[in-house]
Amino acid sequence: QSALTQPRSVSGSLGQSVTISCTGTSSDVGAYNYVSWYQQHPGKAPKLMIYDVNKRPSGVPDRFSGSKSGNTASLTISGLQAEDEADYYCCSYAGSYTVVFGGGTKLTVL
Amino acid sequence: QITLKESGPTLVKPTQTLTLTCTFSGFSLSTSGVGVGWIRQPPGKALEWLALIYWDADKRYSPSLKSRLTIKDTSENQVVLTMTNMDPVDTGTYYCAHRDYYNSRWSFDYWGQGTLVTVSS
Repeated sequence: QSALTQPRSVSGSLGQSVTISCTGTSSDVGAYNYVSWYQQHPGKAPKLMIYDVNKRPSGVPDRFSGSKSGNTASLTISGLQAEDEADYYCCSYAGSYTVVFGGGTKLTVL
Repeated sequence: QITLKESGPTLVKPTQTLTLTCTFSGFSLSTSGVGVGWIRQPPGKALEWLALIYWDADKRYSPSLKSRLTIKDTSENQVVLTMTNMDPVDTGTYYCAHRDYYNSRWSFDYWGQGTLVTVSS
């Protein structure tokens, strides 16, 4: 069970869109539609933003969307706002009632 | 309202055993589909899943740490994680989190604030 692969950093300008990728294998991301995404601001606990690939918990802006193709899941943030600057982590069900996280991506809003 | 809070030592010595407690409210671990997980984060590094305990008492561990971890439900709205043979690389913030299969499947929808554990002699 290896960590999912995410780009270390991405950036985007205010109002623009950015996409963060999360690559796994046919045993985790590719096998199940159970990818979730978390936002983490410095010194804070992670916050669930997306679950089941593309579902948003109550209260999460619809600027946040998720998708998946094969072994790669993606988080897209549209209409970037300053408060979106944070670290983002993907997570996938990996079978046998276990999960695996990604390495995290630092989003910088320019 | 679901809340979770981690507690335990802030400093442990190498080779010692770490015991962390997650005290929760607003849900019952005996409800079908519910689970409590532990996730850690070394300073400046990524989240790493450690263990999960489910409503039916099933327990799962990270394959890479399985030999060192034990998770248990005290039946008093607390979940305890023990990690043996602590090493400086185990330094980090340890989080407990809630999971409900019937709401958000295989994700953690509520998190504790985390507790920082430093391993040093």
